[in-house]
Amino acid sequence: DAGVIQSPRHEVTEMGQEVTLRCKPISGHNSLFWYRQTMMRGLELLIYFNNNVPIDDSGMPEDRFSAKMPNASFSTLKIQPSEPRDSAVYFCASSTGGRELFFGEGSRLTVL
Amino acid sequence: QKEVEQNSGPLSVPEGAIASLNCTYSDRGSQSFFWYRQYSGKSPELIMSIYSNGDKEDGRFTAQLNKASQYVSLLIRDSQPSDSATYLCAVLNAGNNRKLIWGLGTSLAVNP
Repeated sequence: DAGVIQSPRHEVTEMGQEVTLRCKPISGHNSLFWYRQTMMRGLELLIYFNNNVPIDDSGMPEDRFSAKMPNASFSTLKIQPSEPRDSAVYFCASSTGGRELFFGEGSRLTVL
Repeated sequence: QKEVEQNSGPLSVPEGAIASLNCTYSDRGSQSFFWYRQYSGKSPELIMSIYSNGDKEDGRFTAQLNKASQYVSLLIRDSQPSDSATYLCAVLNAGNNRKLIWGLGTSLAVNP
């Protein structure tokens, strides 16, 4: 079975540009999580969805960040406008029941 | 602020030795505890979960939980160079807002 699929794997962009990260969860998983990982702050939960509905977005840093899950097999995380401090690895993870998380390979974002 | 604390390391052990990784947490009501392994440049993967006081063994890995002391540990017996990675402790906090709280991880280096 395919795991969680994220794209792009790497993104280099300039400050002020829009960034869209994409995620396809494991089929049958009803929970989807977006995380950001940096050396200083570790793994930070940005938002999670249950059955395509956003449950907790308290970790979204500010209004520049938005996430959608239009159906059970696709989610996006958008940053507009991007800033250098947004540079990080963004992970998408999915699960059933919220215990074991299955992570995608991550999207490494660099904002110049 | 609910927290999970880990020694950042690096923890260096010789091949064949026992590696001991420790984690403390602040939310006394936490019920579920997880150890994830993350190789450099890769995504976290679950290696152990533990829900009740005591020890849980899986191959070379043993998770130990002491809820009274708010302490969870991971022992790796017969450490191999392939065990060199960062080990992340995650705790599912209590209450209605059930979110995983992550430690920053302990870097383990197993020297041949």
